Amino acid sequence: GNSVTQMEGPVTLSEEAFLTINCTYTATGYPSLFWYVQYPGEGLQLLLKATKADDKGSNKGFEATYRKETTSFHLEKGSVQVSDSAVYFCALIHQGGSEKLVFGKGTKLTVNP
Amino acid sequence: EPEVTQTPSHQVTQMGQEVILRCVPISNHLYFYWYRQILGQKVEFLVSFYNNEISEKSEIFDDQFSVERPDGSNFTLKIRSTKLEDSAMYFCASSRERAPNEKLFFGSGTQLSVL
Repeated sequence: GNSVTQMEGPVTLSEEAFLTINCTYTATGYPSLFWYVQYPGEGLQLLLKATKADDKGSNKGFEATYRKETTSFHLEKGSVQVSDSAVYFCALIHQGGSEKLVFGKGTKLTVNP
Repeated sequence: EPEVTQTPSHQVTQMGQEVILRCVPISNHLYFYWYRQILGQKVEFLVSFYNNEISEKSEIFDDQFSVERPDGSNFTLKIRSTKLEDSAMYFCASSRERAPNEKLFFGSGTQLSVL
């Protein structure tokens, strides 16, 4: 079945450090891929998405590229801020008609000043 | 930006009791969802709902679970007889159009603790 594996947290970085959160997936066909973010006390929010191979999603300085050959969708940001502290979830949805988002476990990021 | 609202934020109940988790989706949205996350595990899909019917459900969503849109604004998840393993964070979500083509908006969750 479809599944998502993302790196275990927590991740602690200093402000302006480079961030990578790894995400790999298993899916039949060609899923759409997402990163959701949950800030403290809030709901999950869509951060970025990519719907086909080699697409790059980007938002708020974050980027992720849909790599079909490595079945990966790693999240990156060149210079993190304290306000980026949150839990990040990688997810996929199968394009075959399902409405179901399949999530990873989430990675907690803490950015220290 | 409009929000999905969930109440209560925390609910504690005894095993075997019924609980109702409430959600107010964004007002012009037509598709509604429940997800849950057991501590330390993945966020899991429970059910999707459209036009007053369940459109998709997972194997977790057995006869103990039900959903309802009792009026024009609320969307509820009922667990008929709670078990210890139902303890989780429950997230409601809504969208204007059907996933996967449309972005989902999530509430901040209800933490359910079954004792």
